[in-house]
Amino acid sequence: QQPVQSPQAVILREGEDAVINCSSSKALYSVHWYRQKHGEAPVFLMILLKGGEQKGHEKISASFNEKKQQSSLYLTASQLSYSGTYFCGANQNFVFGPGTRLSVLP
Amino acid sequence: DAGVIQSPRHEVTEMGQEVTLRCKPISGHNSLFWYRQTMMRGLELLIYFNNNVPIDDSGMPEDRFSAKMPNASFSTLKIQPSEPRDSAVYFCASSTGLQYGYTFGSGTRLTVV
Repeated sequence: QQPVQSPQAVILREGEDAVINCSSSKALYSVHWYRQKHGEAPVFLMILLKGGEQKGHEKISASFNEKKQQSSLYLTASQLSYSGTYFCGANQNFVFGPGTRLSVLP
Repeated sequence: DAGVIQSPRHEVTEMGQEVTLRCKPISGHNSLFWYRQTMMRGLELLIYFNNNVPIDDSGMPEDRFSAKMPNASFSTLKIQPSEPRDSAVYFCASSTGLQYGYTFGSGTRLTVV
């Protein structure tokens, strides 16, 4: 079963914040996040292995609520380089969500 | 480290022909994944190997698709015969353990005409 992501797409101005959500109807034991730029391969951002865990990568951070079967990715003070499609993945069955397309404009 | 290496980068073939995609995982990574990406279906897991053994091939679309991993440093994905609906970008990814995330190769863009 594929995780669900929201929103499908978001457009930001440089410096604005964004939140991308990932949820599953089945139990989520761990979640990983990737960013894919157009024409390139997905690049690993971070993995959250247990409920309540929070991590950060530059100004990108994530949280994982195991009970709610949800994870959120937080992009703070977005930069042009953050543009791309963000995928969450359910680590136990190796499937990815449909992606959220993020566009950061100058 | 050269990362995950896939070949070819692009493949254009005629319907009915056999296609073989190749992948060299990162040395020391014991898990290998084949994914297919299309606009309509996103990233789909095709097959997962652990220590060269296929663990989950439930994502392989049909008997036309087969994958092998004869040793720790090489894997192939074969489509025979190919069909236009197989056109997609095929990614190989490897991992040293599920707690570390995956490293993806650059992908093979397959076009079947």
